[in-house]
Amino acid sequence: GDSVTQMEGPVTLSEEAFLTINCTYTATGYPSLFWYVQYPGEGLQLLLKATKADDKGSNKGFEATYRKETTSFHLEKGSVQVSDSAVYFCALSEGNTPLVFGKGTRLSVIA
Amino acid sequence: GAVVSQHPSRVICKSGTSVKIECRSLDFQATTMFWYRQFPKQSLMLMATSNEGSKATYEQGVEKDKFLINHASLTLSTLTVTSAHPEDSSFYICSRLEPRNYGYTFGSGTRLTVV
Repeated sequence: GDSVTQMEGPVTLSEEAFLTINCTYTATGYPSLFWYVQYPGEGLQLLLKATKADDKGSNKGFEATYRKETTSFHLEKGSVQVSDSAVYFCALSEGNTPLVFGKGTRLSVIA
Repeated sequence: GAVVSQHPSRVICKSGTSVKIECRSLDFQATTMFWYRQFPKQSLMLMATSNEGSKATYEQGVEKDKFLINHASLTLSTLTVTSAHPEDSSFYICSRLEPRNYGYTFGSGTRLTVV
């Protein structure tokens, strides 16, 4: 079945550092790919998404490119802020199926 | 404001009682909604898919009689944890499917504590 593997955390960075969170996937078809963010005690918020190969999703300085050849959707941000501290989930779906999530990566940004 | 409203955000109940969690789609008629459970510092585990007007589809290992899901209207899905036990304590999150834009919107979650 479909699966998502993302780098395990926690990740601790200093403010203004560069962030990469790796995500790779396995799917039988052509999935849509997502990054969600979860702040403490809250639900999930969509950060960005891409629905086909070579698409780049971007939002709030975060970017991820749908790479079919490497089955990857790595999340990047050039300069993180303390307010970016959260748990980040990579996910995929095929058609209207439920999202399949990675295990999540906890990011802590220190001033 | 939130387009998927989940209520309550926190609930504490005694063992043996039942708790109902509501998930409302405020701006969109949601035919399909999903219920997830999240253990501390872990990922989301899909419990069931809720379809308006029909029985929910439960994932393997999820007790249907314990976690009752009702999707009686296009704007409301409910999850009732029956005869709750401490091991049911968890964070429960609903999500709605938005087929037109390949999207999923999540509720803010419910922290259930059974004492």
